[in-house]
Amino acid sequence: QVQLQESGPGLVTPSETLSLTCTVSGGSISSYYWSWIRQPPGKGLEWIGYISYRGSTNCNPSLKSRVTISLDTSKDQFSLKLSSVTAADTAVYYCARTISDYRTSGVVDHWGQGTLVTVSA
Amino acid sequence: EIVMTQSPATLSVSPGERATLSCRASQSVSSDLAWYQQKPGRAPRLLIYGASTRATDIPARFSGSGSGTEFTLTISSLQSADVAVYYCQQYSNWPPLTFGPGTKVDIK
Repeated sequence: QVQLQESGPGLVTPSETLSLTCTVSGGSISSYYWSWIRQPPGKGLEWIGYISYRGSTNCNPSLKSRVTISLDTSKDQFSLKLSSVTAADTAVYYCARTISDYRTSGVVDHWGQGTLVTVSA
Repeated sequence: EIVMTQSPATLSVSPGERATLSCRASQSVSSDLAWYQQKPGRAPRLLIYGASTRATDIPARFSGSGSGTEFTLTISSLQSADVAVYYCQQYSNWPPLTFGPGTKVDIK
């Protein structure tokens, strides 16, 4: 059973860069998209972006200029960097496996437990 | 970007009764619609994809229907374990993937 685990600082200073890493275990990192999804406290889900196992990326246009997603296949890890953060970026950040086959591309079938990142001075 | 809406915002149902949740897309998504369950303090879990296909290990009391712009998630006999927020998500035209605002289901 594949498992995902987020790691990174829980507190980030405004205007700085948020950095998180997701470690994948129990399954291959190939043949899927690896997504980041966030959820502000008490609110809904917002898809941030993904990286494919081949290294191609795609991001939400609302965040595109601030987002970098990278992949380290040797460690079965992928990472998120979100620059110039403000209080509006305070959220639980989830890493997730997203199906990439033709018929169900975009279905999020496994999620990490999530990590709360607070943006505050 | 396809905008997803859900109704009602909150649904109170007696144990053993049927719960019916609605999801609407701003344009047709064919059957490229998934439902997720999120219990308090937990990550979302995939329930339904392809509008009506249950994911692995999802109980048969959960069923999905619809196509185009109108979708329904039905819990045939509500149990206390089903108290959660339910989100729909389209994957027809992405990026971006987009989610509805959620329906909170609780016990009456």
